[in-house]
Amino acid sequence: GAVVSQHPSRVICKSGTSVKIECRSLDFQATTMFWYRQFPKQSLMLMATSNEGSKATYEQGVEKDKFLINHASLTLSTLTVTSAHPEDSSFYICSAIFPDSYNEQFFGPGTRLTVL
Amino acid sequence: SQKIEQNSEALNIQEGKTATLTCNYTNYSPAYLQWYRQDPGRGPVFLLLIRENEKEKRKERLKVTFDTTLKQSLFHITASQPADSATYLCATRADYKLSFGAGTTVTVRA
Repeated sequence: GAVVSQHPSRVICKSGTSVKIECRSLDFQATTMFWYRQFPKQSLMLMATSNEGSKATYEQGVEKDKFLINHASLTLSTLTVTSAHPEDSSFYICSAIFPDSYNEQFFGPGTRLTVL
Repeated sequence: SQKIEQNSEALNIQEGKTATLTCNYTNYSPAYLQWYRQDPGRGPVFLLLIRENEKEKRKERLKVTFDTTLKQSLFHITASQPADSATYLCATRADYKLSFGAGTTVTVRA
């Protein structure tokens, strides 16, 4: 199946700093990428939908100024957590779809963010 | 608002038995349901999709049913193995957006 990678796999940062997470589709061009957040023992919650070359669409309750998404190419989307705080500590997962994968999203391995 | 629930947080079974997981949805009628497997510290992996006009779908030792009257999907792992131990998520989709249940963690004892 299609492969999606994320970098870094885990990051620890100090409160107030910004952290960038990359999501890449390795063997296909992703028309759309999605960013999810998952807290321990909870479901994945969609944060935003990202289309190449256009602004991301954020879900209700997600601060667009805090979670900056840049979808610069058909194979790369980045999520920047700005001025991170301990409550932003979570597991961030991206996924991607391409034109023929209408029914299936391909997920990255996730990034564990810990804000001290 | 749309709601999707997996009413069992954890399921422990003996190797060789069948694990049955339940997914219920309310306030909407999805055209199809998806099931994913998630291992600890990893992203979900797609397993099966079942459409509203399909009663049952199978893939190797996995079987999914979809009852639109009960608004419920059942996910079965037959002849379970310790390697099946993971969290299983059901999800529905609207306009490319997936809504996930909280998941059921299955532990298969050897």
